[in-house]
Amino acid sequence: DAKTTQPPSMDCAEGRAANLPCNHSTISGNEYVYWYRQIHSQGPQYIIHGLKNNETNEMASLIITEDRKSSTLILPHATLRDTAVYYCIVSYQKVTFGIGTKLQVIP
Amino acid sequence: DADVTQTPRNRITKTGKRIMLECSQTKGHDRMYWYRQDPGLGLRLIYYSFDVKDINKGEISDGYSVSRQAQAKFSLSLESAIPNQTALYFCATSDFWQAGDTQYFGPGTRLTVL
Repeated sequence: DAKTTQPPSMDCAEGRAANLPCNHSTISGNEYVYWYRQIHSQGPQYIIHGLKNNETNEMASLIITEDRKSSTLILPHATLRDTAVYYCIVSYQKVTFGIGTKLQVIP
Repeated sequence: DADVTQTPRNRITKTGKRIMLECSQTKGHDRMYWYRQDPGLGLRLIYYSFDVKDINKGEISDGYSVSRQAQAKFSLSLESAIPNQTALYFCATSDFWQAGDTQYFGPGTRLTVL
């Protein structure tokens, strides 16, 4: 599986958009970009995924660059409950979790 | 996600004991996975199963074994527990045919080996 690079931590003010970057320069053509988050020690929660096009759901938006070498997860209006570790993963079948980005939403 | 359950949720055991962690799912997914998570680290894949007759080792399978009793059940065993197997264990399921391989996780089992 291709590797990803994420910043280890980020802060975001409550109510503002949180933009979490991810680099995946060795992504293969059939690999999807997935985002999960883990709140404290709970089971990871699926957020969104995409192949080439930008995607949006009720939780977030995923922006994938045209060359697919990087992506950004956008939480449009961050709340305190969005404080979590966010994992960016590129995968065709098996999923490999890295260390992720610890997002702290500040009141 | 209530569709994926794990038992027990917490377990304290002693070195050398045999331990079984169980996972059940009602999502109807063919694929099931076992991960472990150590403090401050990401999840590491122990074993995975793409269907009842297909079981594969992950990146850290030594010291563990699994059993896929049915589509809905996937058990992880520690034949002889050791202290460095103290960790948080997660089960997950997925359905590859839904345009990708989105995984759904259980609540986790916190295992302590003394």
